[in-house]
Amino acid sequence: AQTVTQSQPEMSVQEAETVTLSCTYDTSESDYYLFWYKQPPSRQMILVIRQEAYKQQNATENRFSVNFQKAAKSFSLKISDSQLGDAAMYFCAYRSLQGGSEKLVFGKGTKLTVNP
Amino acid sequence: DAGVIQSPRHEVTEMGQEVTLRCKPISGHDYLFWYRQTMMRGLELLIYFNNNVPIDDSGMPEDRFSAKMPNASFSTLKIQPSEPRDSAVYFCASNSDLGSFYEQYFGPGTRLTVT
Repeated sequence: AQTVTQSQPEMSVQEAETVTLSCTYDTSESDYYLFWYKQPPSRQMILVIRQEAYKQQNATENRFSVNFQKAAKSFSLKISDSQLGDAAMYFCAYRSLQGGSEKLVFGKGTKLTVNP
Repeated sequence: DAGVIQSPRHEVTEMGQEVTLRCKPISGHDYLFWYRQTMMRGLELLIYFNNNVPIDDSGMPEDRFSAKMPNASFSTLKIQPSEPRDSAVYFCASNSDLGSFYEQYFGPGTRLTVT
């Protein structure tokens, strides 16, 4: 079974600075999707960014980008020019493309604090 | 689009009572998921449906939990009888395999407190 590990329970960053959140996963599959979800205090889960494993190019969405290292099974999220609104829990998630399963496997999350 | 709708947003009940959580997926989505979120266990998938049929219920904790999807626009998660350890936030999510990346769209969650 796949597992997702987020080794940083909490992180903090100064407003306008850059922060990187770590995520590693364990799988024997070669094709899959990876996601970062944001959960602000409102509780709503919001998709931040996604990556297809077969793509070598790292995904970017405005201030958010990933460093996808397939061989190392690493999928870190970089937030540039951090804003107060970025404060939230961030969850890394894995989706298999084999066996027809639609399951998302989530990490335990990283709580990001943005200091003014 | 209204997004995934869940009700109620908050539920407080006493141990032993029946609790029913409700979900309306995004129109046109053919997959529906129920998750539970706790501090200790994080986000866990309880069950998911495809075209109203339960596909994987291996995450359902025990027989006290049941889920139904009588039609494409409505699903319920029922706990009977409820116990304090069921206190958690329950999320419903939906997606469509016609879209790219199979992104799941989450509802706002129901915070359940069992006293």
